[in-house]
Amino acid sequence: AQKITQTQPGMFVQEKEAVTLDCTYDTSDPSYGLFWYKQPSSGEMIFLIYQGSYDQQNATEGRYSLNFQKARKSANLVISASQLGDSAMYFCAMRANQAGTALIFGKGTTLSVSS
Amino acid sequence: EAGVAQSPRYKIIEKRQSVAFWCNPISGHATLYWYQQILGQGPKLLIQFQNNGVVDDSQLPKDRFSAERLKGVDSTLKIQPAKLEDSAVYLCASSLLQGVDEQFFGPGTRLTVL
Repeated sequence: AQKITQTQPGMFVQEKEAVTLDCTYDTSDPSYGLFWYKQPSSGEMIFLIYQGSYDQQNATEGRYSLNFQKARKSANLVISASQLGDSAMYFCAMRANQAGTALIFGKGTTLSVSS
Repeated sequence: EAGVAQSPRYKIIEKRQSVAFWCNPISGHATLYWYQQILGQGPKLLIQFQNNGVVDDSQLPKDRFSAERLKGVDSTLKIQPAKLEDSAVYLCASSLLQGVDEQFFGPGTRLTVL
């Protein structure tokens, strides 16, 4: 069975600093995708970044990068130069790359950015 | 491009009452998902549609929950009768196709059952 584990309930960082949010996963599927979503207090899930299991390079999207370590089954999100607007809940999710599969989410990490 | 629309945004009911949520996906998106997000947890899939057919409803409590997607566009999720433990945010998402593509989420409906 697929599983996503996020072990950090809360993280605190100061503006302009970098922060790493941890995510480990478990799956027996050889082909899968890993996602990170941001959920601000408004409730909407905002897609941040995607990493495919066969991608050779780590994904990057602006200030977001994904530290993908396949052998360790980890997909940590790195946010560089944190901003106050980054304060939100962050979810790691996974989906097997086959028809009929939806996302499986972790429990999330609350990130608080202070000035 | 308009995003995923959901209504109502908030709903308060008493236990044993019925409630219905509506979702309008992004135009042209064939796949529609309903997720339940209990406070402090990540979203959990309730049901997935491909056009107007059900792909996965294995985690839908079918004794009280039902969902339909008539004509392969809008979808309605119903709870009858509601229980206290149904208090959650119900998120609708859509994607162009099922598979490796991104899911776009709506703002959610926050349900409180008293």
